[in-house]
Amino acid sequence: DTAVSQTPKYLVTQMGNDKSIKCEQNLGHDTMYWYKQDSKKFLKIMFSYNNKELIINETVPNRFSPKSPDKAHLNLHINSLELGDSAVYFCASSYRDPNEQFFGPGTRLTVL
Amino acid sequence: AQSVTQPDIHITVSEGASLELRCNYSYGATPYLFWYVQSPGQGLQLLLKYFSGDTLVQGIKGFEAEFKRSQSSFNLRKPSVHWSDAAEYFCAVGGVYKYIFGTGTRLKVLA
Repeated sequence: DTAVSQTPKYLVTQMGNDKSIKCEQNLGHDTMYWYKQDSKKFLKIMFSYNNKELIINETVPNRFSPKSPDKAHLNLHINSLELGDSAVYFCASSYRDPNEQFFGPGTRLTVL
Repeated sequence: AQSVTQPDIHITVSEGASLELRCNYSYGATPYLFWYVQSPGQGLQLLLKYFSGDTLVQGIKGFEAEFKRSQSSFNLRKPSVHWSDAAEYFCAVGGVYKYIFGTGTRLKVLA
Protein backbone atom coordinates (compact mmCIF):
# COMPACT_ATOMS: atom_id res chain seq x y z
CA ASP A 1 0.00 0.00 0.00
CA THR A 2 1.32 3.40 -0.98
CA ALA A 3 1.70 5.69 2.02
CA VAL A 4 2.02 9.04 0.24
CA SER A 5 1.02 9.14 -3.39
CA GLN A 6 1.24 11.91 -5.96
CA THR A 7 -0.26 12.29 -9.38
CA PRO A 8 0.91 12.76 -11.99
CA LYS A 9 4.48 11.47 -11.80
CA TYR A 10 5.52 13.51 -14.83
CA LEU A 11 4.03 16.74 -16.12
CA VAL A 12 5.20 18.49 -19.28
CA THR A 13 3.47 21.71 -20.23
CA GLN A 14 3.86 25.05 -21.96
CA MET A 15 4.61 28.38 -20.32
CA GLY A 16 1.49 30.20 -19.27
CA ASN A 17 -0.58 27.09 -18.66
CA ASP A 18 -2.26 26.16 -15.40
CA LYS A 19 -1.67 22.74 -13.85
CA SER A 20 -2.42 20.82 -10.68
CA ILE A 21 -0.61 18.14 -8.72
CA LYS A 22 -2.50 15.92 -6.33
CA CYS A 23 -1.25 14.35 -3.13
CA GLU A 24 -2.88 11.79 -0.87
CA GLN A 25 -1.66 10.08 2.28
CA ASN A 26 -3.25 7.04 3.89
CA LEU A 27 -1.21 7.16 7.09
CA GLY A 28 -3.69 9.10 9.19
CA HIS A 29 -1.23 11.97 9.53
CA ASP A 30 -2.37 15.44 10.52
CA THR A 31 0.29 17.51 8.75
CA MET A 32 1.15 17.72 5.08
CA TYR A 33 3.83 19.62 3.17
CA TRP A 34 4.87 20.64 -0.31
CA TYR A 35 8.54 20.87 -1.25
CA LYS A 36 10.29 21.99 -4.41
CA GLN A 37 13.53 20.29 -5.44
CA ASP A 38 15.48 22.12 -8.13
CA SER A 39 17.93 20.74 -10.66
CA LYS A 40 20.76 20.93 -8.12
CA LYS A 41 18.78 18.76 -5.71
CA PHE A 42 18.17 21.68 -3.35
CA LEU A 43 15.01 20.92 -1.40
CA LYS A 44 12.97 23.85 -0.16
CA ILE A 45 9.74 23.83 1.79
CA MET A 46 6.85 25.67 0.16
CA PHE A 47 3.81 25.05 2.35
CA SER A 48 2.84 23.27 5.57
CA TYR A 49 -0.71 22.35 6.46
CA ASN A 50 -1.98 21.05 9.77
CA ASN A 51 -5.50 19.65 9.97
CA LYS A 52 -6.36 21.34 6.65
CA GLU A 53 -5.14 24.73 7.86
CA LEU A 54 -2.25 26.58 6.22
CA ILE A 55 0.56 27.00 8.75
CA ILE A 56 3.62 27.90 6.69
CA ASN A 57 3.82 29.72 3.36
CA GLU A 58 7.45 30.18 2.52
CA THR A 59 7.32 33.28 0.32
CA VAL A 60 6.00 31.29 -2.58
CA PRO A 61 4.57 33.31 -5.49
CA ASN A 62 0.81 33.55 -5.29
CA ARG A 63 0.61 31.70 -8.62
CA PHE A 64 0.96 28.64 -6.37
CA SER A 65 -2.22 27.84 -4.48
CA PRO A 66 -2.40 24.80 -2.23
CA LYS A 67 -5.71 23.32 -1.26
CA SER A 68 -6.46 20.78 1.43
CA PRO A 69 -10.00 19.40 1.09
CA ASP A 70 -9.40 17.07 4.02
CA LYS A 71 -6.54 15.89 6.22
CA ALA A 72 -5.58 13.15 3.78
CA HIS A 73 -5.22 15.37 0.71
CA LEU A 74 -3.11 18.36 -0.21
CA ASN A 75 -3.22 19.52 -3.79
CA LEU A 76 -1.07 22.12 -5.48
CA HIS A 77 -2.40 24.31 -8.27
CA ILE A 78 -0.02 26.44 -10.29
CA ASN A 79 -1.22 29.27 -12.50
CA SER A 80 0.63 30.88 -15.39
CA LEU A 81 3.51 28.45 -15.34
CA GLU A 82 7.02 29.85 -15.87
CA LEU A 83 10.24 28.21 -16.97
CA GLY A 84 11.61 28.57 -13.44
CA ASP A 85 8.83 26.40 -12.10
CA SER A 86 10.47 23.36 -13.67
CA ALA A 87 11.48 21.13 -10.78
CA VAL A 88 10.50 18.04 -8.87
CA TYR A 89 7.69 18.69 -6.40
CA PHE A 90 7.42 16.47 -3.36
CA CYS A 91 4.50 16.04 -1.06
CA ALA A 92 5.15 14.80 2.47
CA SER A 93 3.19 14.09 5.61
CA SER A 94 3.88 13.65 9.30
CA TYR A 95 2.06 12.98 12.55
CA ARG A 96 2.28 15.51 15.36
CA ASP A 97 4.98 17.76 13.98
CA PRO A 98 7.88 17.84 14.58
CA ASN A 99 8.37 14.31 13.50
CA GLU A 100 9.55 12.11 10.70
CA GLN A 101 8.15 13.12 7.34
CA PHE A 102 7.01 10.54 4.82
CA PHE A 103 7.65 11.67 1.27
CA GLY A 104 5.78 10.89 -1.89
CA PRO A 105 7.63 9.77 -5.02
CA GLY A 106 7.65 13.27 -6.51
CA THR A 107 6.19 14.95 -9.57
CA ARG A 108 8.66 16.07 -12.20
CA LEU A 109 7.31 19.26 -13.76
CA THR A 110 8.85 20.48 -16.99
CA VAL A 111 7.77 23.84 -18.38
CA LEU A 112 8.66 24.43 -22.04
CA ALA B 1 19.70 32.95 10.08
CA GLN B 2 18.74 29.32 10.08
CA SER B 3 20.81 27.15 7.78
CA VAL B 4 22.17 23.70 7.18
CA THR B 5 25.55 23.08 5.56
CA GLN B 6 26.70 19.83 4.04
CA PRO B 7 30.27 20.65 3.01
CA ASP B 8 30.78 17.60 0.80
CA ILE B 9 28.85 17.61 -2.45
CA HIS B 10 30.25 14.26 -3.56
CA ILE B 11 31.90 11.46 -1.63
CA THR B 12 33.30 8.24 -3.08
CA VAL B 13 34.14 5.27 -0.89
CA SER B 14 34.98 1.65 -1.53
CA GLU B 15 32.53 -1.01 -0.51
CA GLY B 16 33.30 -2.14 3.01
CA ALA B 17 34.98 1.13 3.95
CA SER B 18 33.68 3.39 6.69
CA LEU B 19 31.70 6.51 5.93
CA GLU B 20 31.15 9.87 7.56
CA LEU B 21 28.92 12.55 6.07
CA ARG B 22 29.17 15.97 7.63
CA CYS B 23 26.35 18.29 8.61
CA ASN B 24 26.58 21.65 10.34
CA TYR B 25 23.59 23.75 11.26
CA SER B 26 22.69 27.19 12.48
CA TYR B 27 19.46 27.34 14.41
CA GLY B 28 18.24 29.68 17.11
CA ALA B 29 16.43 27.22 19.32
CA THR B 30 17.11 23.62 20.24
CA PRO B 31 17.08 21.90 16.89
CA TYR B 32 15.26 18.83 15.76
CA LEU B 33 17.71 17.04 13.45
CA PHE B 34 17.17 14.52 10.71
CA TRP B 35 19.04 12.56 8.08
CA TYR B 36 17.19 11.42 4.97
CA VAL B 37 18.31 9.34 2.01
CA GLN B 38 17.09 9.73 -1.55
CA SER B 39 17.65 7.05 -4.16
CA PRO B 40 17.49 8.08 -7.83
CA GLY B 41 13.96 8.90 -8.92
CA GLN B 42 12.57 8.32 -5.45
CA GLY B 43 11.27 10.36 -2.57
CA LEU B 44 13.19 10.83 0.65
CA GLN B 45 13.32 8.22 3.39
CA LEU B 46 14.21 8.91 7.00
CA LEU B 47 17.43 7.31 8.24
CA LEU B 48 17.37 8.69 11.77
CA LYS B 49 16.37 11.67 13.88
CA TYR B 50 17.48 13.44 17.02
CA PHE B 51 15.14 15.35 19.30
CA SER B 52 16.72 15.01 22.73
CA GLY B 53 18.48 12.57 25.03
CA ASP B 54 21.40 10.39 24.04
CA THR B 55 23.45 12.31 21.52
CA LEU B 56 24.38 9.16 19.60
CA VAL B 57 21.37 7.95 17.66
CA GLN B 58 20.94 4.75 15.74
CA GLY B 59 19.02 4.56 12.52
CA ILE B 60 18.03 2.14 9.84
CA LYS B 61 20.41 0.33 7.50
CA GLY B 62 23.25 0.42 10.04
CA PHE B 63 23.59 4.22 10.11
CA GLU B 64 24.22 6.29 13.19
CA ALA B 65 24.69 9.99 13.87
CA GLU B 66 26.13 12.01 16.70
CA PHE B 67 24.77 15.36 17.84
CA LYS B 68 27.48 17.73 19.05
CA ARG B 69 25.96 20.91 20.36
CA SER B 70 29.32 22.65 20.86
CA GLN B 71 30.18 22.12 17.20
CA SER B 72 26.65 22.57 15.84
CA SER B 73 27.12 19.31 14.02
CA PHE B 74 25.13 16.18 13.33
CA ASN B 75 27.40 13.90 11.32
CA LEU B 76 26.19 10.64 9.84
CA ARG B 77 28.36 7.51 10.04
CA LYS B 78 28.36 3.94 8.89
CA PRO B 79 31.15 1.49 9.74
CA SER B 80 30.97 -0.54 6.53
CA VAL B 81 29.35 0.76 3.37
CA HIS B 82 27.40 -1.49 1.02
CA TRP B 83 26.98 -0.88 -2.71
CA SER B 84 23.26 -0.31 -2.11
CA ASP B 85 24.08 2.75 0.02
CA ALA B 86 24.87 4.75 -3.11
CA ALA B 87 22.35 7.61 -3.01
CA GLU B 88 21.89 11.26 -2.08
CA TYR B 89 21.91 12.06 1.63
CA PHE B 90 20.23 15.08 3.14
CA CYS B 91 20.61 16.57 6.58
CA ALA B 92 17.66 18.62 7.83
CA VAL B 93 16.93 20.81 10.82
CA GLY B 94 13.77 22.37 12.09
CA GLY B 95 10.43 21.71 13.59
CA VAL B 96 7.12 23.46 14.17
CA TYR B 97 6.07 22.80 10.59
CA LYS B 98 9.16 24.28 8.98
CA TYR B 99 12.26 22.40 7.92
CA ILE B 100 15.52 23.42 6.30
CA PHE B 101 17.40 20.90 4.25
CA GLY B 102 21.06 20.86 3.36
CA THR B 103 22.14 20.75 -0.26
CA GLY B 104 22.83 17.04 -0.06
CA THR B 105 25.85 14.77 -0.38
CA ARG B 106 25.96 12.30 -3.24
CA LEU B 107 27.56 9.04 -2.20
CA LYS B 108 29.22 6.81 -4.76
CA VAL B 109 30.33 3.32 -3.76
CA LEU B 110 33.11 1.54 -5.60
CA ALA B 111 32.96 -2.23 -5.89
